[in-house]
Amino acid sequence: GAGVSQTPSNKVTEKGKYVELRCDPISGHTALYWYRQSLGQGPEFLIYFQGTGAADDSGLPNDRFFAVRPEGSVSTLKIQRTERGDSAVYLCASSLTLDTGELFFGEGSRLTVL
Amino acid sequence: AQSVTQLDSQVPVFEEAPVELRCNYSSSVSVYLFWYVQYPNQGLQLLLKYLSGSTLVKGINGFEAEFNKSQTSFHLRKPSVHISDTAEYFCAVTGADSNYQLIWGAGTKLIIKP
Repeated sequence: GAGVSQTPSNKVTEKGKYVELRCDPISGHTALYWYRQSLGQGPEFLIYFQGTGAADDSGLPNDRFFAVRPEGSVSTLKIQRTERGDSAVYLCASSLTLDTGELFFGEGSRLTVL
Repeated sequence: AQSVTQLDSQVPVFEEAPVELRCNYSSSVSVYLFWYVQYPNQGLQLLLKYLSGSTLVKGINGFEAEFNKSQTSFHLRKPSVHISDTAEYFCAVTGADSNYQLIWGAGTKLIIKP
């Protein structure tokens, strides 16, 4: 389809394992965002890309979290040494411009760390 | 720093009744304001936005919101709700205070009673 695609939709892993979450944005959208959403809360900003570069990574909680967008399209969020507190829905969004706030979201990847 | 407060975590309302979902924000500078909706098992989608101009903004599905600068509010309204409006609604703000990143409220679940 033409929307933002995220895989996997669900991921269950054990504490200490490494996880990768993938986001395929809408074609032509240069801005890409990663958010984290816990139950009963709004989305929490993690990082955003303008093209291939991370324009703002101030929301990444610690150095276990890393994201890449090597060709300016698909992005991968990488979490090392997962902890139970990392359990959340990870949302990806893309937009055509930076300044209007109109983001197009994927359905999210639900991560459960046992 | 900017913040967004959605005063009600849940709002139950009878079908065909009017509804208002409240949103207040804090910011010292000009802002852009948004309401996003998340239907069950779907991604977030933009409902409406205020960038400038008329303070009454109309969105999809019969929703509207009014920007009130003096009260720093952006309440969402619909004169007659339908069962299909059952969803979680998020208010968000962006501007210079947040380096143009979206700051999100915690969300309000709209529960339609038949």
